[in-house]
Amino acid sequence: GENVEQHPSTLSVQEGDSAVIKCTYSDSASNYFPWYKQELGKRPQLIIDIRSNVGEKKDQRIAVTLNKTAKHFSLHITETQPEDSAVYFCAAFEVGGAQKLVFGQGTRLTINP
Amino acid sequence: DAMVIQNPRYQVTQFGKPVTLSCSQTLNHNVMYWYQQKSSQAPKLLFHYYDKDFNNEADTPDNFQSRRPNTSFCFLDIRSPGLGDAAMYLCATSREAGGEQYFGPGTRLTVT
Repeated sequence: GENVEQHPSTLSVQEGDSAVIKCTYSDSASNYFPWYKQELGKRPQLIIDIRSNVGEKKDQRIAVTLNKTAKHFSLHITETQPEDSAVYFCAAFEVGGAQKLVFGQGTRLTINP
Repeated sequence: DAMVIQNPRYQVTQFGKPVTLSCSQTLNHNVMYWYQQKSSQAPKLLFHYYDKDFNNEADTPDNFQSRRPNTSFCFLDIRSPGLGDAAMYLCATSREAGGEQYFGPGTRLTVT
């Protein structure tokens, strides 16, 4: 089955700087890669996603890149703000078998003012 | 305009006392999911339904069961809760498998 590794587990950046979180996946058949942001005590919320037929997608300060050959994808947040502080989860959709999202372990991002 | 609703938001139960958590959706999505999330860990999938087709994760304990009586509602039954079952339980829906998942606010379960 699919396996997703996420790094780093914690990340601290100065306000205004950029943050990058990286994930690798194992199943080359996986075709959908969402990123979720979860604030303390709240539900995971989708912030951006990408499908396997696209290499990059951008939404204002957030971008995701996908390298299918290397089987890795990354979240880029530019001009970070204190409200970006949260736990971020990447995921890959396992196409075969159970057809489910497999999540990475999460990254706790802290933006220092 | 809530789309995925979970009740109750907080549930306290005693060790071994059965408990049922509920989820409803107004999105008319085909797929419904139950996840267990412990502090700062990734959500762990327990079950999902594609329409009425039930899919059980291999490592979901027998103590957990689920029902989906219609498109809108899904229930999680914990037959004999243990202290290790204390967690946030998240319901999610998607229009189709491989689509965006919408999460409910979760039910925080405490076992005393």
